Amino acid sequence: AQSVTQLGSHVSVSEGALVLLRCNYSSSVPPYLFWYVQYPNQGLQLLLKYTTGATLVKGINGFEAEFKKSETSFHLTKPSAHMSDAAEYFCAVSANRGSTLGRLYFGRGTQLTVWP
Amino acid sequence: DAGVTQSPTHLIKTRGQQVTLRCSPISGHKSVSWYQQVLGQGPQFIFQYYEKEERGRGNFPDRFSARQFPNYSSELNVNALLLGDSALYLCASSRNAGGIQETQYFGPGTRLLVL
Repeated sequence: AQSVTQLGSHVSVSEGALVLLRCNYSSSVPPYLFWYVQYPNQGLQLLLKYTTGATLVKGINGFEAEFKKSETSFHLTKPSAHMSDAAEYFCAVSANRGSTLGRLYFGRGTQLTVWP
Repeated sequence: DAGVTQSPTHLIKTRGQQVTLRCSPISGHKSVSWYQQVLGQGPQFIFQYYEKEERGRGNFPDRFSARQFPNYSSELNVNALLLGDSALYLCASSRNAGGIQETQYFGPGTRLLVL
């Protein structure tokens, strides 16, 4: 089975500060990992994904995430926050084989606030 | 190319009624998945359809049903609505049913309010 835990339902940073959103996963098979962003009253937009290969994944809008198998983590970072980054961020895991192939399991989300 | 589209954008129903939500996938995508996002939580998987067949079902009651049409669009039906069905219903499409290259692209959602 797959599951995701996002540590911290709310994160606040100043504009220009480092953004760090934490995600830990559980998976009975090698996982695919995703970060999605949701702006108010909108659907989900893919930021980045990890499937195989390089463990440091770069996404859109300057975000990146590192897959650490030993820590079962996939934390999202951005060196310098911008006001436009304020949104809700969801980490998700999917199995790469088996009966749940193609099904995404989401965390509860982290609301990012950026202060001027 | 147009993204995933959903209709209607908003819907208000009363308890006991039935509702149908619609989704059109990205052109060339054959798989559609439905998710329910209750306020303050992450999306929960409801169904996945691929090539008009159900490929997966989440932990939802039989009041929830779906189908996929030959043009790969999809409908989600919910019968005997309960207050707890109030949520944002998201549709996602992908080229196939899963695998290393698959990414699910989400539509804007249909916000359902049950009174």
